[in-house]
Amino acid sequence: AQSVTQLDSHVSVSEGTPVLLRCNYSSSYSPSLFWYVQHPNKGLQLLLKYTSAATLVKGINGFEAEFKKSETSFHLTKPSAHMSDAAEYFCVVSDPISGYSTLTFGKGTMLLVSP
Amino acid sequence: DTGVSQDPRHKITKRGQNVTFRCDPISEHNRLYWYRQTLGQGPEFLTYFQNEAQLEKSRLLSDRFSAERPKGSFSTLEIQRTEQGDSAMYLCASSHGQGNASPLHFGNGTRLTVT
Repeated sequence: AQSVTQLDSHVSVSEGTPVLLRCNYSSSYSPSLFWYVQHPNKGLQLLLKYTSAATLVKGINGFEAEFKKSETSFHLTKPSAHMSDAAEYFCVVSDPISGYSTLTFGKGTMLLVSP
Repeated sequence: DTGVSQDPRHKITKRGQNVTFRCDPISEHNRLYWYRQTLGQGPEFLTYFQNEAQLEKSRLLSDRFSAERPKGSFSTLEIQRTEQGDSAMYLCASSHGQGNASPLHFGNGTRLTVT
């Protein structure tokens, strides 16, 4: 079975400082990994995805994530936070057993950005 | 707007009543998914369709829940004899093609409140 653990329920940063949102996954097979963002009253938006190509994945809005198989991690980073980054972020895994057809979401990390 | 559309945005109903939600996917997408998100949790998979065929159902989908996609385009999710525990955000998503290369595009969801 696949699972995702987001290590922090809330992360607070100041505008202009780096962002780190941590995610560990468990999957019996080579997984695909995603980060989605959810702004209040908005739908989930894909930030980036890892599908067994380059281990460092660049996404939208300056976010990137690195797949580390040895650590079973897929942490999300951004060099400099912006106020508009305040939202909830979900780490997501899918694997070939499900035909990549179903996604397993983490519980989410709320990113708070202060001026 | 050519994104995933869900209707209604909000639904308040009394316990025991039936409710039906509608999802219109992105037109060229052949896969359609339903997820449920409760407060403080990530979305949980309910079911998905490839064209008009319902290929997978989660154990979360009790007998009171039924989903259809009769012509392989829009989908409906019906909940019969609603219970307070059904209160949640119901998310629809669609994707194109197969495998892990095609990310899911989510709608803004239907928020159900059962009183």
